[in-house]
Amino acid sequence: QVQLVESGGGLVKPGESLTLSCAASGFTFSDYYMGWVRQAPGSGLDWASYISGSGTATFHADSVKGRFTISRDNAKNSLFLQMNSLRAEDSAVYYCARWNGGFDYWGQGTLVTVSS
Amino acid sequence: EIVLTQSPGTLSLSPGETATLSCRASQSISNNYLTWYQQKPGQAPRRLIHGAFNRATGIPDRFSGSVSGTDFTLTIRSLEPEDFAVYYCQQYGNSWTFGQGTKVEMK
Repeated sequence: QVQLVESGGGLVKPGESLTLSCAASGFTFSDYYMGWVRQAPGSGLDWASYISGSGTATFHADSVKGRFTISRDNAKNSLFLQMNSLRAEDSAVYYCARWNGGFDYWGQGTLVTVSS
Repeated sequence: EIVLTQSPGTLSLSPGETATLSCRASQSISNNYLTWYQQKPGQAPRRLIHGAFNRATGIPDRFSGSVSGTDFTLTIRSLEPEDFAVYYCQQYGNSWTFGQGTKVEMK
């Protein structure tokens, strides 16, 4: 069965960096676009970044462009989100999700808190 | 950027009633590329409908999607207790955007 397991969240200070990871299993990872969707406490959903199956095409929301970098290692069935220059407004649960005409599988999420 | 406006913000209904949720797009969405999700507290979202009206695998047929121009609708017939949740729409016809959500609560 499809499983997505995120890790790497935590408490950081404004301006610091953090890298999130997502371990995928149960499907041919390289066949699918993957994305990171975040949800601030008590708020709605907001996409941050997504990447093509081969990893050659990446897309970032304007709110994170220039600060976040999405990447993947298809040999290790892993997805990453490198987050630099973090701001308080980046605080959220970050979900790793598989794209298939909508996100059809989601991880359980990892919490990122940016606070001094 | 395509803006999605969901209404109402909150819908108060009883089990057995029908819920009608709206998602209005600020411009035409190519190929009606719109997805509906359900999210319960403490859980990740679950995809219900893709391509405006295609039910995802395992989704009960009381959930249905429809579209008229830039107005997308999610209808939930005969609400079950487990259907009380927050519902989001997302368009993927031009980049991606999410609506702000509609909460379906028990009256």
